[in-house]
Amino acid sequence: EADIYQTPRYLVIGTGKKITLECSQTMGHDKMYWYQQDPGMELHLIHYSYGVNSTEKGDLSSESTVSRIRTEHFPLTLESARPSHTSQYLCASSNGPMMNGYTFGSGTRLTVV
Amino acid sequence: DQQVKQNSPSLSVQEGRISILNCDYTNSMFDYFLWYKKYPAEGPTFLISISSIKDKNEDGRFTVFLNKSAKHLSLHIVPSQPGDSAVYFCAAPKGKLIFGQGTTLQVKP
Repeated sequence: EADIYQTPRYLVIGTGKKITLECSQTMGHDKMYWYQQDPGMELHLIHYSYGVNSTEKGDLSSESTVSRIRTEHFPLTLESARPSHTSQYLCASSNGPMMNGYTFGSGTRLTVV
Repeated sequence: DQQVKQNSPSLSVQEGRISILNCDYTNSMFDYFLWYKKYPAEGPTFLISISSIKDKNEDGRFTVFLNKSAKHLSLHIVPSQPGDSAVYFCAAPKGKLIFGQGTTLQVKP
């Protein structure tokens, strides 16, 4: 049973639309992350948060923005979607030792046409 | 500069045989390494980890070996099963987790 939820699972949207990808976790984890992954490529960190009202950009530059108003909720927003944003977006959370790794959601497959 | 590399994009093995997935790294300061498994249209799931002070960690059919002098780790799956067919990522922490490019494993019945 998933403890971290992403919606929608799949999204096809037109260029220029504003979209928000939802991510929620029920584990009370302080740390949350957004990764972007294209087929055959590594996962790239685009945003992370270590707690409420704390957000940072990751290693890969992204036109998306995030917010962390509640511990359990870490949505990602694209103000104006473009075909170059087509990708899989993965949300993750963690708590405690890094050796336990992250718990990932099922991801959102975004296609911008 | 990619600090965690998986140079084999794909691997195909027969059911029941051994699968060996490889990973190289450049940063000798990593404290531990993790392996994740990912099915299409799903998020990665944690598989096994190894501390940098160890050279082997085993969990059922999965064993990870670490060769610090070569900056190389490998994941062994014995025996391989069709359900193991997935993309496998190695990862290491540098503040946040850094992932390799992944290796797609296909286990043929």
